[in-house]
Amino acid sequence: DTGVSQNPRHKITKRGQNVTFRCDPISEHNRLYWYRQTLGQGPEFLTYFQNEAQLEKSRLLSDRFSAERPKGSFSTLEIQRTEQGDSAMYLCASSPTSYEQYFGPGTRLTVT
Amino acid sequence: EDQVTQSPEALRLQEGESSSLNCSYTVSGLRGLFWYRQDPGKGPEFLFTLYSAGEEKEKERLKATLTKKESFLHITAPKPEDSATYLCAVRKAAGNKLTFGGGTRVLVKP
Repeated sequence: DTGVSQNPRHKITKRGQNVTFRCDPISEHNRLYWYRQTLGQGPEFLTYFQNEAQLEKSRLLSDRFSAERPKGSFSTLEIQRTEQGDSAMYLCASSPTSYEQYFGPGTRLTVT
Repeated sequence: EDQVTQSPEALRLQEGESSSLNCSYTVSGLRGLFWYRQDPGKGPEFLFTLYSAGEEKEKERLKATLTKKESFLHITAPKPEDSATYLCAVRKAAGNKLTFGGGTRVLVKP
């Protein structure tokens, strides 16, 4: 499968714990995006990387959230001191150009 | 601020009953309007990109059209496998993010 992959697919954590998600983009896609989606809503943009540079961040990305893309390949999204409001589907997308974005299957986070 | 509104929120169709989904948008400097299909528990699947008013794209039973203020996704003679949530998103000239609407949940009954 040569699509975007995300791990883990599901994560259950207790409030206050830290979690980290991984995204592997489609090979040779230099643009990578993170979105968050809650039930019944469309995805909301979190952050954007071009190669290893983080070029855009949403105001939704509080100081508890941090994303990295070392060497311009895979990316990680870390949430520190999780809160119940962080429960959502976290989606990663990649693109070879500035147009179509191809999404991964997502990581479902449940904070208890 | 960019806004994308999709209607209706939900649509129940009989197999073969054609219908249209609406996506109204407000964005300064549209760079592209995107349609995605999303099945439960999965990530959005790319369908179409439209760039300018008057443009149309087709794929199997789906046809997307674009005007200066809205886009339509026409589903012709739908089948049960067309059941999904259809998402519309816009991208403006300055920026890289997609702004999504809330989606239309389509259920096609046999």
